[in-house]
Order: sequence, then structure tokens, then C-alpha cells
Amino acid sequence: EAGVTQFPSHSVIEKGQTVTLRCDPISGHDNLYWYRRVMGKEIKFLLHFVKESKQDESGMPNNRFLAERTGGTYSTLKVQPAELEDSGVYFCASSPLKTGQETQYFGPGTRLLVL
Amino acid sequence: AQSVTQLGSHVSVSEGALVLLRCNYSSSVPPYLFWYVQYPNQGLQLLLKYTSAATLVKGINGFEAEFKKSETSFHLTKPSAHMSDAAEYFCAVSGNFGNEKLTFGTGTRLTIIP
Repeated sequence: EAGVTQFPSHSVIEKGQTVTLRCDPISGHDNLYWYRRVMGKEIKFLLHFVKESKQDESGMPNNRFLAERTGGTYSTLKVQPAELEDSGVYFCASSPLKTGQETQYFGPGTRLLVL
Repeated sequence: AQSVTQLGSHVSVSEGALVLLRCNYSSSVPPYLFWYVQYPNQGLQLLLKYTSAATLVKGINGFEAEFKKSETSFHLTKPSAHMSDAAEYFCAVSGNFGNEKLTFGTGTRLTIIP
């Protein structure tokens, strides 16, 4: 079974540019989460999809961040325009929508550097 | 509201020695607790989890953790460190309704001394 995949693995952009991160969850997982780790700090929750609906977006830092999950499969996270403080590692995780399935399976992350 | 405190951002132990990584949590609801590990250039991998069953939880690679409600702790241990245990370890908490977001600690980088 394929795990959670994320693309790209690394991205270096200049301040003011746009970047789109993609996450492909494990097949059949209706829950999809985005997290971010800024250097030296804790991994922080950004948002949670259940299928194509945003269940919780309380962690989104501001309106420069737009997440979508059309069709309830893969998800994209767009940052527009990017700022220096957006640098960090962006993780995606997925889990089944079943009682007792608490484990979130993480992807390898996308390392974003904004210059 | 939930939070996690991991004491010690860096821990070094000798190969064969006991590994002890500390995690204390705060939660307004009964928690689920997790330990994840991140090896260099890899994603997060679940080591073990506590979901209100047995308080002593055994995970992969010989790790275990004990949930102590009175101490609000979930420390991770391994009797004998191996070189391959060198990695960063994250403690996380969520509520117990399932499908909830994780709140992480700042991580502990474990170094194994040969």
C-alpha cells in the first residue's frame, strides 16, 4: 500500500511569488490534515479536511494560504504571495474515517524556503 | 485546549544505555497520546499510541511509554539504545473523539554515542 506522498520535496522561491504544495493521501482515507513546522519550533496544525469539506481550518495563519481538496482525493495548499516567515516544512497526514482509527499517517513533507 | 511539553530538545545517551524522553501534556478532555519519530530525510512515523486502554503501551523498535494521569506524563523509554535510534522524537496529544488534530511538542533530538 502506497503511503502519503507530497510534491515537491523541496521548493525555493522568492518573497512575493506563489507556491503550490500537493498531497496525495493513502487511498481510501477521508481525513486529510496539513501541518507546518517552522525551523526550531513545534509542528503546528493548519487544517483538516473530511473528504472535500474543510472540517477545521483554525490553524491557517492568514488569507495568503488557500487549501483545496476537490473530489475528496488529493489536496493542494497554495501560498500567495509568499513571505519570509512562510519558510518551513509542510507535512500532510491522512487517516480513515472510522471510529478507533486515531493514527494519522504522515508524508515526508515539503521543505519550503522563501528568500 | 491542549499542549505538550517535551523536556530537553537534545538528549545524548551511550549505545546500550537506557533511553528516556520526557513528555508532559495538558488537556481539558481525556487525551489520546502519541509518540512519532522522524529519521533523517524521512517523514514522521508512529512509534506508539495511548488510546485509553492499557496504560503501558509498547511500540515498534523496542520502545514503550506509560500513561500516568496523576503526573500528566507520557514518557518514552527503551532499555538499551541502538545506533539506529538516532532521530528526532515528537510527543503529541489529541482529544479522544477520534479524527482530531494533533498538538505536538517541540521535539527531542536523540543522539547515540558509540
